[in-house]
Amino acid sequence: GEDVEQSLFLSVREGDSSVINCTYTDSSSTYLYWYKQEPGAGLQLLTYIFSNMDMKQDQRLTVLLNKKDKHLSLRIADTQTGDSAIYFCAESFSGAGSYQLTFGKGTKLSVIP
Amino acid sequence: EADIYQTPRYLVIGTGKKITLECSQTMGHDKMYWYQQDPGMELHLIHYSYGVNSTEKGDLSSESTVSRIRTEHFPLTLESARPSHTSQYLCASSIRDTQYFGPGTRLTVL
Repeated sequence: GEDVEQSLFLSVREGDSSVINCTYTDSSSTYLYWYKQEPGAGLQLLTYIFSNMDMKQDQRLTVLLNKKDKHLSLRIADTQTGDSAIYFCAESFSGAGSYQLTFGKGTKLSVIP
Repeated sequence: EADIYQTPRYLVIGTGKKITLECSQTMGHDKMYWYQQDPGMELHLIHYSYGVNSTEKGDLSSESTVSRIRTEHFPLTLESARPSHTSQYLCASSIRDTQYFGPGTRLTVL
């Protein structure tokens, strides 16, 4: 079955870049997503990348997709204390009428002032 | 930005009570989802609906039930709450793949 793996914790200093990594197993995924969850809140869609793309940049966020290695990463430039949150990687499969997402277990990013 | 709402945001209730968690969206999305999030952060899909009068169970077995009588509304009901139901419940909706989440309901059963 489908599986999405992420490291559970990441700690960085304010102003440094953060890189959160994710690996997935199903090569037929359509979209790959990054969601952010702050304490006590729901999941906020940060960005997503179509499976035939290699890179997407949006302000401080850069998503890299390596389809050969089934590896997705999210780079946050100039990390701020407000970036402290849990980041979830997810993949979708628009096949056989299914619109479900498979989520990783989340990476807790701690930003040290 | 998505418009999806959940009420209540926080609920503390005694064992055996019947509760309904509300979820509404104003985007006309036909697909809606309920997730349970445990303290270890992992998300578990417990129910989903791809349209009015259509509901399915998700990957995680749950004693809750759902209904989808209107496109914009997807309530979740627990007939008899137990301490094991204590969790964060997240509702989401989508047109196709991309899901948008509500703020969540934190349920505590004493």
